[in-house]
Amino acid sequence: AQSVTQLGSHVSVSEGALVLLRCNYSSSVPPYLFWYVQYPNQGLQLLLKYTTGATLVKGINGFEAEFKKSETSFHLTKPSAHMSDAAEYFCAVRKFMDSNYQLIWGAGTKLIIKP
Amino acid sequence: NAGVTQTPKFQVLKTGQSMTLQCAQDMNHEYMSWYRQDPGMGLRLIHYSVGAGITDQGEVPNGYNVSRSTTEDFPLRLLSAAPSQTSVYFCASSFRDRGQGVYEQYFGPGTRLTVT
Repeated sequence: AQSVTQLGSHVSVSEGALVLLRCNYSSSVPPYLFWYVQYPNQGLQLLLKYTTGATLVKGINGFEAEFKKSETSFHLTKPSAHMSDAAEYFCAVRKFMDSNYQLIWGAGTKLIIKP
Repeated sequence: NAGVTQTPKFQVLKTGQSMTLQCAQDMNHEYMSWYRQDPGMGLRLIHYSVGAGITDQGEVPNGYNVSRSTTEDFPLRLLSAAPSQTSVYFCASSFRDRGQGVYEQYFGPGTRLTVT
């Protein structure tokens, strides 16, 4: 069963515009949620995470995400896009499977920044 | 700290050849894992380990073996390479959160493997 859905394999925004990358998850228990960024030909780097507490979490590079339990969403936003934000972004949820927690990953969203 | 290191960065194999992808971490993380990344499919878990001497299968384990003799190292072996194993492979490590598995993961730079 799909646990993490990222809407849009590609999202294009103009430099200076709002960035919104969508992530919906399924989980029967309070989830841990993560956003990672992957720059071309590099490994993945943690942007931000939600575990417990404040539902609006701030990450690196001006990104933030809000955990909305009623909508089972964890969308990533940035008020003003910069050319350096061009990358692929992955949402992940931690789920308990086969006696251990694992991270389940979305398919990724490529963010394209137009000059 | 070097973090998570992987070697080689690139590899080309012929069908049927075997090889080992190396992964090491210097953060004393208990949890280590191997993923493959294919376009449009995100990351798929191949094998993972929750500590030295303990390994388990992930979502796509067929054709791969792992071992964990030390906390630091977690090599991935391709037994008989097939074109379907052409992919980018990432190793990752994590603290084991309250003994219950993965927390935030730290990734290596990846190995780009082509099987012809």
